[in-house]
Amino acid sequence: EAQVTQNPRYLITVTGKKLTVTCSQNMNHEYMSWYRQDPGLGLRQIYYSMNVEVTDKGDVPEGYKVSRKEKRNFPLILESPSPNQTSLYFCASRDLYGYTFGSGTRLTVV
Amino acid sequence: GENVEQHPSTLSVQEGDSAVIKCTYSDSASNYFPWYKQELGKRPQLIIDIRSNVGEKKDQRIAVTLNKTAKHFSLHITETQPEDSAVYFCAASHQAGTALIFGKGTTLSVSS
Repeated sequence: EAQVTQNPRYLITVTGKKLTVTCSQNMNHEYMSWYRQDPGLGLRQIYYSMNVEVTDKGDVPEGYKVSRKEKRNFPLILESPSPNQTSLYFCASRDLYGYTFGSGTRLTVV
Repeated sequence: GENVEQHPSTLSVQEGDSAVIKCTYSDSASNYFPWYKQELGKRPQLIIDIRSNVGEKKDQRIAVTLNKTAKHFSLHITETQPEDSAVYFCAASHQAGTALIFGKGTTLSVSS
């Protein structure tokens, strides 16, 4: 089954403790992206990658890092999480026919 | 860069009525316009999309129209049902493989 897999689904962490949210797709898509969703603000793009070793900033990249060492994986890294990064995060991959989203990761930073 | 405005932010209709959600975009080079439906606690799901060489597209009770001159596109849902209640997002981008910019979403409530 074609899918985008994100882990974990829920995460509560403390300020400053580095964390990684994993994202993997099995559709051989070149384009992958991370979004955060906040009430009233919609889906805002954090980073995207057009292919292996090619990443670029989206609209809200501050405080985040990504890597794309292989086509299927696109992890999101928070080196020093802060409470304003509490949000719902979605990974997505894209082909000509649109985005496929992962199930989401609800992150709470206390 | 691209900016997508979506209206209204909330929409309440009676079952059986029609619902219309409108979006405008800023980048005249955008040529791909999808619509996503997000039910509570779930991921956004693509429900319909349109490309700039087409003015209208229908799929059963939903349709999307595109006016490239005015840079706006709309989602039309006819004969609404309670299961249509969700948040709907419009988006715009260039060719496949580039950033998809989303509107802020419309919460549609269909009451029976």
